[in-house]
Amino acid sequence: QVQLQESGPGLVKPSETLSLTCTVSGGSISSPYWWSWIRQSPGKGLEWIGEMSHTGRPNYNPSLKSRVTMSIDTSKTHFSLTLTSVTAADTAVYYCARNWDSWGQGTLATVSS
Amino acid sequence: QTVVTQEPSLTVSPGGTVTLTCAPSTGAVTSGNNPHWFQQKPGQAPRALIYTTSKKYSWTPARFSGSLLGGKAALTLSGVQPEDEAEYYCLLSYGGAWVFGGGTELTVL
Repeated sequence: QVQLQESGPGLVKPSETLSLTCTVSGGSISSPYWWSWIRQSPGKGLEWIGEMSHTGRPNYNPSLKSRVTMSIDTSKTHFSLTLTSVTAADTAVYYCARNWDSWGQGTLATVSS
Repeated sequence: QTVVTQEPSLTVSPGGTVTLTCAPSTGAVTSGNNPHWFQQKPGQAPRALIYTTSKKYSWTPARFSGSLLGGKAALTLSGVQPEDEAEYYCLLSYGGAWVFGGGTELTVL
């Protein structure tokens, strides 16, 4: 049973960069799956941020594409999200998921000075 | 970018049947949009229920079913249980990009 665990700084200052990691256990990150990042602002719905194939091919949400970078590290069994120039609107619980069937529990990232 | 609309809220009695729908701002939903459905309870991560329009995961209760209905994706709950009270989200694929619906808050009362 694959398990995903998000981790990150918790608090980021406006205009800075948010970096999050999703650690995968109980399964290989090199297997032919799509690995996604999703976020949920407080009290709001889900927003797809982007996805990356096991070979490192990305697809990004057009509305976030200019600020998002994803990467996958098969040797360390994790994949990462970088979001630049953050504002308060980026405050959210960030989830990682594998092929939509397995999700992490989420990590809250707050943007505040 | 396509906007996906769901009913903001629905109420159903225990044992009843309810259908949630998922409609894009342009065009109709087809199997090519690879509709997915998720359930989310307060404080929890979303849980996948349906993929590829109507396929169920091993953990999906039999009372949940997915379909295409009048140009929309649909999730039907038959014989609703109190534990089905939750937020439900649909997800559609558009050529390499995914779009979530706004969610339906389902109340069992």
